[in-house]
Amino acid sequence: QVQLQQSGPRLVKPTQTLSLTCAISGDSVSSNTLTWNWIRQSPSRGLEWLGRTYYRSKWDNDYAVSVKSRITINPDTSENQFSLQLNSVTPEDTAVYYCVGVRGGVFEYWGQGTLVTVSS
Amino acid sequence: ETRMTQSPATLSVSPGERATLSCRASQSVSTNLAWYQQKPGQAPRLLFYGASTRATGVPARFSGSGSGTEFTLTISSLQSEDFAIYYCQQYNNWPWTFGQGTKVEVK
Repeated sequence: QVQLQQSGPRLVKPTQTLSLTCAISGDSVSSNTLTWNWIRQSPSRGLEWLGRTYYRSKWDNDYAVSVKSRITINPDTSENQFSLQLNSVTPEDTAVYYCVGVRGGVFEYWGQGTLVTVSS
Repeated sequence: ETRMTQSPATLSVSPGERATLSCRASQSVSTNLAWYQQKPGQAPRLLFYGASTRATGVPARFSGSGSGTEFTLTISSLQSEDFAIYYCQQYNNWPWTFGQGTKVEVK
């Protein structure tokens, strides 16, 4: 059974960087069948996919157009986890952030969610 | 980008009654459609994939159907634990996209 445990600050100042980590148990960040994703949820945007990292003989990433210039998702094989960094945040980035394990396009395994507030 | 439209936004149903939720795609997604249930303060939970295949542990009172652009989630007899928000999501066309959700509330 795959379990995802999120960690990271819940309050970030405008213009700074939002950083979250998702620890994986029950599978590997180097899985050949899962991709490791970040999604956020807010009343104004609903469920918004942000990006993913995955290993298929080499590491690769995909990012949503809306955040592509500001986002980085990295795997950490030594800790079996992956991370999200979102730069230059504004109050519009306030949301609940989820890490999710996706198989074949289906969002199977969800972290517990982290409400991140962008405020000075 | 494939737009997913769910209707109605809110569905008021009495316990024991049937609930029918709709999801429409702006272009064909074949049967690459998933449904999720979200309760307050919780992450979404996978209910269906492949439009009609129940995920592990999903009760038989839930059923999913449809293909192409029109999909339905039916709850045959609503239980107290079924009052929640339901989302559809397509994974046929990149990027994957979600509907805005249907809230099933107590009438």
